[in-house]
Amino acid sequence: DVKVTQSSRYLVKRTGEKVFLECVQDMDHENMFWYRQDPGLGLRLIYFSYDVKMKEKGDIPEGYSVSREKKERFSLILESASTNQTSMYLCASSPPISGKGKGKFQYFGAGTRLSVL
Amino acid sequence: KNQVEQSPQSLIILEGKNCTLQCNYTVSPFSNLRWYKQDTGRGPVSLTIMTFSENTKSNGRYTATLDADTKQSSLHITASQLSDSASYICVVSPESYNTDKLIFGTGTRLQVFP
Repeated sequence: DVKVTQSSRYLVKRTGEKVFLECVQDMDHENMFWYRQDPGLGLRLIYFSYDVKMKEKGDIPEGYSVSREKKERFSLILESASTNQTSMYLCASSPPISGKGKGKFQYFGAGTRLSVL
Repeated sequence: KNQVEQSPQSLIILEGKNCTLQCNYTVSPFSNLRWYKQDTGRGPVSLTIMTFSENTKSNGRYTATLDADTKQSSLHITASQLSDSASYICVVSPESYNTDKLIFGTGTRLQVFP
């Protein structure tokens, strides 16, 4: 079974703090993603990565950065946490796309509920 | 604009009953459509994935249908169980050679009562 592990289930941080959210997957997947999930908005893509040291902005990258130094680990960084970043953060991974029209499941971690006070 | 809309927003049914959740999308061109189940406080777990050429896909008591002409999908749950209480998210993948970016619906929250 694919396992995507997020380091914390719950985090409480103060405004202005630098926050690291860690995600590790054990299936040698090339693709990794960070989303945030807010009530009534669905999942929104923050950043994604298709390879080590490679990153691309998603739909809402402002206020976030990422790091992928190793294939199995994808970190989300909040440089200076703000209250509007209080949310559920979900990490996902997937194997590479194989051919046009072929999609693979994204496997999700359990999520990190971050509260910024 | 690529969008995925789900209905109803929430649904309450009694254990043992069937139910159907709806998903309409405007994503074009379209590669595939997925249904995920998300338990409260957990990450989404995949149920089905269908390409544009598939009409139906089953996973146990879950059956997803797809009409690519009308851009509609449904998820039918048969003989519901208490463990089916969760949010069900419809996800559409735009057609692309090299990206797995997804468009997520906001989900239908299903509650099954005894």
